[in-house]
Amino acid sequence: AQTVTQSQPEMSVQEAETVTLSCTYDTSESDYYLFWYKQPPSRQMILVIRQEAYKQQNATENRFSVNFQKAAKSFSLKISDSQLGDAAMYFCAYRRGGTSYGKLTFGQGTILTVHP
Amino acid sequence: EAQVTQNPRYLITVTGKKLTVTCSQNMNHEYMSWYRQDPGLGLRQIYYSMNVEVTDKGDVPEGYKVSRKEKRNFPLILESPSPNQTSLYFCASRDPLLEQYFGPGTRLTVT
Repeated sequence: AQTVTQSQPEMSVQEAETVTLSCTYDTSESDYYLFWYKQPPSRQMILVIRQEAYKQQNATENRFSVNFQKAAKSFSLKISDSQLGDAAMYFCAYRRGGTSYGKLTFGQGTILTVHP
Repeated sequence: EAQVTQNPRYLITVTGKKLTVTCSQNMNHEYMSWYRQDPGLGLRQIYYSMNVEVTDKGDVPEGYKVSRKEKRNFPLILESPSPNQTSLYFCASRDPLLEQYFGPGTRLTVT
């Protein structure tokens, strides 16, 4: 079975600085997707970034980027120029490839605090 | 606006009193699922549905039931809730080519 592990229950960063959230996963599949979701105090689940396993290039969305190390099964999220609105719980998630199977396997979550 | 709605958003109930959390999506998605979120455990899938009348267990199905009589609706039923089902529940639907849309969550407390 696939597992996702986030080893940092809490992280903090100063406004305008950079922070990296860690995630490791375990799978025997070759076709899969990895995600970072943000959950602010409103509890809404917001997709931050997505990475396809077959792509070597790391995904980037504005101030958010990932470091995808496929051989090491590592998928970290870097937030640059942190803003107060980035404060949230962040979840790493895995999904097997293929269009018919949509189950997401989540990590435990990392609470990010942004200090002004 | 594309969305997944859940009702109620908050619910406090007592052990053994049957309840239903509704979920509806307006995107004509075939795939829908339910997750529960617990501290230190992340989100775990309870049940999922590939299409109307097609449902199957996820990772933590004990104590829950679902039905899928219409494509847009996927209610979660707790026939005899227990305190260990106190949790935050999310419904989600997914387009085969896109990612999952999550509902706003339902905070359930069972006393």
